[in-house]
Amino acid sequence: NAGVTQTPKFQVLKTGQSMTLQCAQDMNHEYMSWYRQDPGMGLRLIHYSVGAGITDQGEVPNGYNVSRSTTEDFPLRLLSAAPSQTSVYFCASSAFALSRQGVGNEQFFGPGTRLTVL
Amino acid sequence: GIQVEQSPPDLILQEGANSTLRCNFSDSVNNLQWFHQNPWGQLINLFYIPSGTKQNGRLSATTVATERYSLLYISSSQTTDSGVYFCAVLTDSWGKFQFGAGTQVVVTP
Repeated sequence: NAGVTQTPKFQVLKTGQSMTLQCAQDMNHEYMSWYRQDPGMGLRLIHYSVGAGITDQGEVPNGYNVSRSTTEDFPLRLLSAAPSQTSVYFCASSAFALSRQGVGNEQFFGPGTRLTVL
Repeated sequence: GIQVEQSPPDLILQEGANSTLRCNFSDSVNNLQWFHQNPWGQLINLFYIPSGTKQNGRLSATTVATERYSLLYISSSQTTDSGVYFCAVLTDSWGKFQFGAGTQVVVTP
């Protein structure tokens, strides 16, 4: 298994440009999510999905769109990039969507995408 | 929402020393994970530990869910242990994790 993969690894955008960060997992996980990490801070949830066709907002959703047409893929779209979106973006997945005790909710992270918006 | 506090924020260790990192959370949780973010930015799963104690080599973790805290122990630290250690908790909802701010660990030779 490749686990969680993300592309690209690095990206530089100009203000106002749009782009899509790709995320894929090959573990047949129900739950996928996107986080951003700013310098000196923990990760903050942007959007998440509990299954194909179902998405919802996290803590910091403004400026980002998501869709989930397949179990494997969960792309994150920046509609009009702003310097405040300069960050490292991580995609994660876990087996089950609903939180529960015991196995199934362990989250696995991709390697991240470092995005700079000029 | 749930508050997750990690302490200390920074830790400098000499190689071979032992240390304890703490994670306090403000509400009951269904699960808790510890991660190590290495100097290259990669997030590595250390422990998935809703309660009890687990050990993996020189690292071990204990979660006391009823008292709302978890501890990560690093024994005989090595320079490769440097990085940021995060705890993240899973509350009673769709599987949304809340991260703490992390503990920055520097291990010197």
